[in-house]
Amino acid sequence: DQQVKQNSPSLSVQEGRISILNCDYTNSMFDYFLWYKKYPAEGPTFLISISSIKDKNEDGRFTVFLNKSAKHLSLHIVPSQPGDSAVYFCAATNYGGSQGNLIFGKGTKLSVKP
Amino acid sequence: DAGITQSPRHKVTETGTPVTLRCHQTENHRYMYWYRQDPGHGLRLIHYSYGVKDTDKGEVSDGYSVSRSKTEDFLLTLESATSSQTSVYFCAISDGVLGSPLHFGNGTRLTVT
Repeated sequence: DQQVKQNSPSLSVQEGRISILNCDYTNSMFDYFLWYKKYPAEGPTFLISISSIKDKNEDGRFTVFLNKSAKHLSLHIVPSQPGDSAVYFCAATNYGGSQGNLIFGKGTKLSVKP
Repeated sequence: DAGITQSPRHKVTETGTPVTLRCHQTENHRYMYWYRQDPGHGLRLIHYSYGVKDTDKGEVSDGYSVSRSKTEDFLLTLESATSSQTSVYFCAISDGVLGSPLHFGNGTRLTVT
């Protein structure tokens, strides 16, 4: 059973607009959440993270929101740029129990059109 | 970029042959991981290591073994490759400090014919 779900395989937005990528999880033991971006033929690169003690974390154009009661997190990219076109993976972990092993969602492919 | 080198970058092998993939890091990080990425599955953990000679299984460990004789090297071995092991394999490293993310290598694309 999937513990981390990204229900939208793809998302297309216009340059300059907001991109919102969503992620749901089922394991209430997860206490740390991360977003990774992946370009073709490269490894995933870390984008932004959030601890379960927070509900928002911001880094430049990227903001992650966490709703623990709904077991939902989202990544907002504002404004979106063509270089943001990539596959975005949501990941979660229980640092206290799993040495940081990440459980990944299946990814959402974001296309930002000029 | 974190100092992670995966070798080879591409490999084609036949069913039933042994294959070893290598991950080398220059960061002196304690934790190393092997993930595989397949369409429709995201990334799934195969094995990980929390120190020299200390390893443990991940979600999809069947058919794989690992070894870590030095801090900098983590080897993934397919004893007898099968077509279901055709995948892109990623190595990742972490210092294990709370809040420190995993850093990934650029992957090895393995095709088993």
